[in-house]
Amino acid sequence: NAGVTQTPKFRVLKTGQSMTLLCAQDMNHEYMYWYRQDPGMGLRLIHYSVGEGTTAKGEVPDGYNVSRLKKQNFLLGLESAAPSQTSVYFCASRTSWTDFGYTFGSGTRLTVV
Amino acid sequence: GQQLNQSPQSMFIQEGEDVSMNCTSSSIFNTWLWYKQEPGEGPVLLIALYKAGELTSNGRLTAQFGITRKDSFLNISASIPSDVGIYFCAGGSSNTGKLIFGQGTTLQVKP
Repeated sequence: NAGVTQTPKFRVLKTGQSMTLLCAQDMNHEYMYWYRQDPGMGLRLIHYSVGEGTTAKGEVPDGYNVSRLKKQNFLLGLESAAPSQTSVYFCASRTSWTDFGYTFGSGTRLTVV
Repeated sequence: GQQLNQSPQSMFIQEGEDVSMNCTSSSIFNTWLWYKQEPGEGPVLLIALYKAGELTSNGRLTAQFGITRKDSFLNISASIPSDVGIYFCAGGSSNTGKLIFGQGTTLQVKP
């Protein structure tokens, strides 16, 4: 049982380049989330999805877009990367609205130069 | 927005010592959770608390849901080197369906 899988694990981008981070879960979870982790700031929610075909903004959505075309996949896109988007990105999923036991992926470390 | 204040920010302790960390908020939460993150990995759930006043243990870990529903603490007894990592508290609201994370406590254990 793979759980939550994130690809790629590492990436270096030049300012202005675009890329997509992929999150895949095999637990049939309805809810999926993208967080970014920066030193001393904990985990901050970028976007989330409450089901296939739905997306919503989180705490820090600017500069990012997301799509959930299939229930098992949640994509995070950066259209024009900026150095401020250098961070570690985590995807997470959970089963229901009141179950806060999120399952996290192992993260994508992104550097924008 | 909602914020959690987690303290201390970091701890460097000797193996065998007990550890205590806490989390406070200006908002009420229905659920308090504690996660641990090891280097290069995502956070993993340690303990979930669902009722005010609840005290729950998981091995050497003990966590409590504060009576006011605005705070929680985590204790680790007899620390060992593999306890090293970042510990996050998180508060969940069934009204919004959102989970808010604290800034994390970085724990280092000296053998």
